[in-house]
Amino acid sequence: DAGVTQSPTHLIKTRGQQVTLRCSPKSGHDTVSWYQQALGQGPQFIFQYYEEEERQRGNFPDRFSGHQFPNYSSELNVNALLLGDSALYLCASSLGQGDGELFFGEGSRLTVL
Amino acid sequence: GQQVMQIPQYQHVQEGEDFTTYCNSSTTLSNIQWYKQRPGGHPVFLIQLVKSGEVKKQKRLTFQFGEAKKNSSLHITATQTTDVGTYFCAGRRGDKIIFGKGTRLHILP
Repeated sequence: DAGVTQSPTHLIKTRGQQVTLRCSPKSGHDTVSWYQQALGQGPQFIFQYYEEEERQRGNFPDRFSGHQFPNYSSELNVNALLLGDSALYLCASSLGQGDGELFFGEGSRLTVL
Repeated sequence: GQQVMQIPQYQHVQEGEDFTTYCNSSTTLSNIQWYKQRPGGHPVFLIQLVKSGEVKKQKRLTFQFGEAKKNSSLHITATQTTDVGTYFCAGRRGDKIIFGKGTRLHILP
């Protein structure tokens, strides 16, 4: 039973560039949430996708956008990268929008130079 | 800004000593979850508390949810080197799960 998988694991970009991160949820899960975790901080909620729509959004600018596909996998896109976007981006899957636990992937570590 | 506060930020304990981390929310939570993140790893779910005043135990770990559903604690008895990591509380408000900044536990041999 595959857990949550994310790609790429590491990447380096320069300011102003765009990045796309990918996530495949745990088998049987239909909800994907994205979190940004800066060094030494807790995960910050970016947004959640369910039934291919953005359902909830945290305090992140429009430069952060996403998508969910019919197979429940998801992408996170960040445009016009800033140095402050350097972080570990975590994808978490869950079943429905209910109160269940989050299953996290290993994350994608983005460095913006 | 951060709406779920967690203290302390860091804790160093001798192996065998107890450890406690506290989580406080400014508003009532529908539930609270606890996660552990090992160095270089990703958060892993430990437990969820839903009821006011709920107490749950997992071996040496004891979790409590406050009567007002605004605070929670995690207590580890007789810490071991395998307990090293950062412990996060995550409070659910509506459909959002808000994480605290975590408490980093370091075990001194």
